[in-house]
Amino acid sequence: EAQVTQNPRYLITVTGKKLTVTCSQNMNHEYMSWYRQDPGLGLRQIYYSMNVEVTDKGDVPEGYKVSRKEKRNFPLILESPSPNQTSLYFCASRLQGTSGETQYFGPGTRLLVL
Amino acid sequence: GQNIDQPTEMTATEGAIVQINCTYQTSGFNGLFWYQQHAGEAPTFLSYNVLDGLEEKGRFSSFLSRSKGYSYLLLKELQMKDSASYLCAVDGYSTLTFGKGTMLLVSP
Repeated sequence: EAQVTQNPRYLITVTGKKLTVTCSQNMNHEYMSWYRQDPGLGLRQIYYSMNVEVTDKGDVPEGYKVSRKEKRNFPLILESPSPNQTSLYFCASRLQGTSGETQYFGPGTRLLVL
Repeated sequence: GQNIDQPTEMTATEGAIVQINCTYQTSGFNGLFWYQQHAGEAPTFLSYNVLDGLEEKGRFSSFLSRSKGYSYLLLKELQMKDSASYLCAVDGYSTLTFGKGTMLLVSP
């Protein structure tokens, strides 16, 4: 089954404690991205990656890092989380250059930073 | 940059037809997505328009006019389960920019 998985699904942490949210896809997609979703602001792109070792900033990259060492995985790293990073996070993957039907979202990670 | 506008909320009756509009002003445009999102869940793909015109997919259709920076999603024969948020998103090829979503409430 084609899918994007994220872990953890729920996370409560404290300010300054480094955390990583993992994202994995089994569709051999080249393009992966991270979004955060906040009430009244909608989905905003944090980072994206067009292929292995190729990453770039989206609209709201401050406070986040990513890496793409292999095609299937695209972890999101918060080196020093702050309360304003409390949000619902989605990972997505897409086969670049083809029709948009191939963009899939993961189930989401709900993060609370105290 | 990208600026995408869609109505915040809409209401409709079961069995009716509803049209959700999306206007955009963008610096780059490859295509336009529509997604459905139920509360607390991930967005699910509905349609992707690249060329002008109407594309129909069952009860859902999507229209695009690139020259006018305008798209709409048409939902026919509304069902209670169609109550959800509908997101339009501009595909700038490397980036994807979402509107804030339209919350559709379908009543009996």
